Amino acid sequence: NAGVMQNPRHLVRRRGQEARLRCSPMKGHSHVYWYRQLPEEGLKFMVYLQKENIIDESGMPKERFSAEFPKEGPSILRIQQVVRGDSAAYFCASSPLSGGSTDTQYFGPGTRLTVL
Amino acid sequence: AQSVTQPDIHITVSEGASLELRCNYSYGATPYLFWYVQSPGQGLQLLLKYFSGDTLVQGIKGFEAEFKRSQSSFNLRKPSVHWSDAAEYFCAVKRNNNDMRFGAGTRLTVKP
Repeated sequence: NAGVMQNPRHLVRRRGQEARLRCSPMKGHSHVYWYRQLPEEGLKFMVYLQKENIIDESGMPKERFSAEFPKEGPSILRIQQVVRGDSAAYFCASSPLSGGSTDTQYFGPGTRLTVL
Repeated sequence: AQSVTQPDIHITVSEGASLELRCNYSYGATPYLFWYVQSPGQGLQLLLKYFSGDTLVQGIKGFEAEFKRSQSSFNLRKPSVHWSDAAEYFCAVKRNNNDMRFGAGTRLTVKP
């Protein structure tokens, strides 16, 4: 059973470009979470999605950031018009179908975004 | 507000020595508690978790953690550290399915 997969692992963008980060959850998992990790800091929650639904986006910046988890295919975190402050590691996690409070989140290897 | 504190930013221990990483949380009820490890350039790997029951939890790689309600703590321990344990360790607290908070992490250096 493959783990959570993220691609690309490294992404370099110039200011003003768009960044698209992809996350494929573990098989059988239908809940996806995105986190951002700034240098020397812990992970900060951004958004929680189930298939075709955004459940909680309270940690997502109001502008330029969006996320989706379509019925088919990976979850996408999209950052429009990137700025240098967006440089960070973005981690995706997934949890099983039940979505209960005791579900463990399993993390992908992350995408390291560098904005030049 | 729910928060997680890891008081030690960086800890250095000698190989073979014992290890304890501290984690304190603030939350009104008993939360779900986790320890993750992150090697350089890698994602987070779950070491262990506590939901209920026995307050001493065994994890992978020889790690264990003890939940102490009276101290709001969930410290991670290992009796004998190996050089491969050098990494960043994160304590996390979860209340409901989407509300998971991480500490700032403790970086562990292992001296030969």
